[in-house]
Amino acid sequence: DAGVIQSPRHEVTEMGQEVTLRCKPISGHDYLFWYRQTMMRGLELLIYFNNNVPIDDSGMPEDRFSAKMPNASFSTLKIQPSEPRDSAVYFCASSLAAEGNTEAFFGQGTRLTVV
Amino acid sequence: KNQVEQSPQSLIILEGKNCTLQCNYTVSPFSNLRWYKQDTGRGPVSLTIMTFSENTKSNGRYTATLDADTKQSSLHITASQLSDSASYICVVSARGYQKVTFGIGTKLQVIP
Repeated sequence: DAGVIQSPRHEVTEMGQEVTLRCKPISGHDYLFWYRQTMMRGLELLIYFNNNVPIDDSGMPEDRFSAKMPNASFSTLKIQPSEPRDSAVYFCASSLAAEGNTEAFFGQGTRLTVV
Repeated sequence: KNQVEQSPQSLIILEGKNCTLQCNYTVSPFSNLRWYKQDTGRGPVSLTIMTFSENTKSNGRYTATLDADTKQSSLHITASQLSDSASYICVVSARGYQKVTFGIGTKLQVIP
């Protein structure tokens, strides 16, 4: 398996534009997580899915953020409209289970810059 | 409030030397603690995962310890190599994965 695949790797957009980040989890993993990483706050969990169903989106900062998982092999994180403070690295991760002795596998991340 | 604090924030050591990174947490009820290594421009990669009953776990030159009573963990790196230069992130999960709490990380630089 190629691991968790995210696209694009880099995204530069103007304030107010819609941004869509994409993620393909590892096949067979039932859990998918979206994280945001900044220098000041480190990694923050935004939302996670179990079997394509959103379980907890309490980390999503505002209504401008939305995430979907239409099937087991694809998820999107959308920001509309984008703002400069959304600039960060967004990671997607997947795992076999939610807790216990399991490992979450991270993608390479999407570096988003909103100007 | 669940918190994970790591120290030091950054560290520079000579190649071949040992070092120890610290993680203190106030996460309850505790489920597990993980140490991740994050190379620049890459996603984090798990080094060790420990549950309540485990107090030490090794992964090559990396050894993690856990004291659930004092709520402290450490990551010891033996005979450091240039490739150890990275950020090391401590992550603590409470029961129910949505309550995972991340430390800011320790940025380690190994120099020749």
